Amino acid sequence: DADVTQTPRNRITKTGKRIMLECSQTKGHDRMYWYRQDPGLGLRLIYYSFDVKDINKGEISDGYSVSRQAQAKFSLSLESAIPNQTALYFCATSAPGLAGHEQFFGPGTRLTVL
Amino acid sequence: AQRVTQPEKLLSVFKGAPVELKCNYSYSGSPELFWYVQYSRQRLQLLLRHISRESIKGFTADLNKGETSFHLKKPFAQEEDSAMYYCALSGRLQGAQKLVFGQGTRLTINP
Repeated sequence: DADVTQTPRNRITKTGKRIMLECSQTKGHDRMYWYRQDPGLGLRLIYYSFDVKDINKGEISDGYSVSRQAQAKFSLSLESAIPNQTALYFCATSAPGLAGHEQFFGPGTRLTVL
Repeated sequence: AQRVTQPEKLLSVFKGAPVELKCNYSYSGSPELFWYVQYSRQRLQLLLRHISRESIKGFTADLNKGETSFHLKKPFAQEEDSAMYYCALSGRLQGAQKLVFGQGTRLTINP
């Protein structure tokens, strides 16, 4: 089955460390997204990419950067992790069409910054 | 501003009772609305979308443009409905089509 995968699934790191979260998809979708989920705040968009040469900031991009290495891969980096970046991170993909703008989510990466 | 509001962070009902999860939105154009669900230890997945006017797992949601609402309803709750539910709006925001999520409602069905 076509899928969205994320690695690692869990990560504990220390303040100041550089961290990369990776997302891969076999859905053939052009659009990819990174969100973070925090209790009481829902999902907030960090970055999104509509094709390999397109990168856009979302509502909370400060402290993050991304790389779209290929249509199927979209990585999120924390250059210098801080404790308030502790959260659950989700990657998503979409391919808008007749079914609307549904997004398909990966399983999430739980990141803890000590 | 484009916004999705879910006024209840937590909702607890008994098995067999009716359930209504509230969602209100603000958007200047014609919105496309969704309900996503996240079961324990599972990824976020689409439950239903307003353009399909479908019933999934006994849930329905009607878009009320006058009240700018998209409440999720089920007449008889089941224990397996316990999950986190997110209302989301897809709209053209700052030149691009994006999803905006509400804060989420954690639904607990008591036996």
